[in-house]
Amino acid sequence: DGGITQSPKYLFRKEGQNVTLSCEQNLNHDAMYWYRQDPGQGLRLIYYSQIVNDFQKGDIAEGYSVSREKKESFPLTVTSAQKNPTAFYLCATSDRRDQPQHFGDGTRLSIL
Amino acid sequence: AQSVTQPDIHITVSEGASLELRCNYSYGATPYLFWYVQSPGQGLQLLLKYFSGDTLVQGIKGFEAEFKRSQSSFNLRKPSVHWSDAAEYFCAVGAMNYGGSQGNLIFGKGTKLSVKP
Repeated sequence: DGGITQSPKYLFRKEGQNVTLSCEQNLNHDAMYWYRQDPGQGLRLIYYSQIVNDFQKGDIAEGYSVSREKKESFPLTVTSAQKNPTAFYLCATSDRRDQPQHFGDGTRLSIL
Repeated sequence: AQSVTQPDIHITVSEGASLELRCNYSYGATPYLFWYVQSPGQGLQLLLKYFSGDTLVQGIKGFEAEFKRSQSSFNLRKPSVHWSDAAEYFCAVGAMNYGGSQGNLIFGKGTKLSVKP
């Protein structure tokens, strides 16, 4: 069954800790994206990747890092430098720049 | 710079009534336009898209949207709302040419729809 899998669904971060959110896809899409969603703010782009081993900063990349070593995977690390990490994180993919993005079910990150 | 405005933060309609959600965009060239729906705690589902051609586009779940270039609008409509339509709706604009630093969609802040029985 094709789709985008985000894990875990819920994640808690301690002070000073880095945490990694997983995004895996079997849609064979080239492009992958990470968004942050806060109430009343819509979606804001953190990072995106058009091909393997390449990625670009989005509008709010500070305090985050990514890697794209495989086409199927685009993990997002929320570092301790991100002082306000509590949010809903969404991963998306698309097979061409002019095609709609498909979204995973999200990961909710909270601070302990 | 590209931007998307959804003027209504929250709308309440009665079940069976018609619905129109507003979306205005700012973009110099011909945009790609999308409407997505999000249920609480879930990801976004594509309702419909406009790339070119007929300015009235049909989507899933009985939704339609009309692209009006002169008004820079892409409003979402449904003739008769069902209780299951209660959700948050997002309008998004994408660039026709992804040259430069952007390779993404710009989203509006969303409109939350409540449905009265």
